[in-house]
Amino acid sequence: EVQLVESGGGLVQPGGSLRLSCAASGFAFSNYWMHWVRQAPGKGLMWVSRVNSDGSVTTYADSVKGRFTISRDNAKNTLYLQMQSLRVEETAVYYCARSTTTIFGVVFDYWGQGILVTVSS
Amino acid sequence: DIQMTQSPSSLSASVGARVTITCRASQPIARYLSWYQHKPGKAPNLLIYAASSLHSGVPSRFSGSGSGTDFTLTISSLQPEDFATYYCQETYSTPQTFGQGTKVEIK
Repeated sequence: EVQLVESGGGLVQPGGSLRLSCAASGFAFSNYWMHWVRQAPGKGLMWVSRVNSDGSVTTYADSVKGRFTISRDNAKNTLYLQMQSLRVEETAVYYCARSTTTIFGVVFDYWGQGILVTVSS
Repeated sequence: DIQMTQSPSSLSASVGARVTITCRASQPIARYLSWYQHKPGKAPNLLIYAASSLHSGVPSRFSGSGSGTDFTLTISSLQPEDFATYYCQETYSTPQTFGQGTKVEIK
């Protein structure tokens, strides 16, 4: 059974840092691209970042570029999101997601249950 | 970035009702469109990809249609477990933008 379990969330002050982890199991982690998606309170889903299967290629939403860093450790089957200079508006539930490629683009076929990050003084 | 607009933002329907949610893209995206179901506190679930292909394990009462800029998700006979928020997502470009969501509530 595919499982994605996020951890590392919590309360952080504006301007602070936090590192999220996503432990993967039940599939060949090193074969898949992975993503982070977030949902602010009362808002919809927003894609944040992705990393390719070997960790050599990363992409970010413009709003987090230069402040967030996605990475992975395939030996540990774990995805990370290092977040710096956090803003109040980045309070959200953060989800990790596995993607797979279809004839019409990349879809997120498995998601974690999410972890809450609260940015507040 | 491509903008995705869903309508309605919310709807109330009874068990057994036929429900239709629409999603419009700000530019043509062929069939690069997915639909997700999301319940509070749970992981989102992929329902439909490539506009009309049913993801493995998804009940056949869910169907998708459309291409270009206009897309539809239909639930043929609403079940109690279908009350959730539904999101469309374009898979044509980066970032892969989601619609704002449609909340389906019990009538």
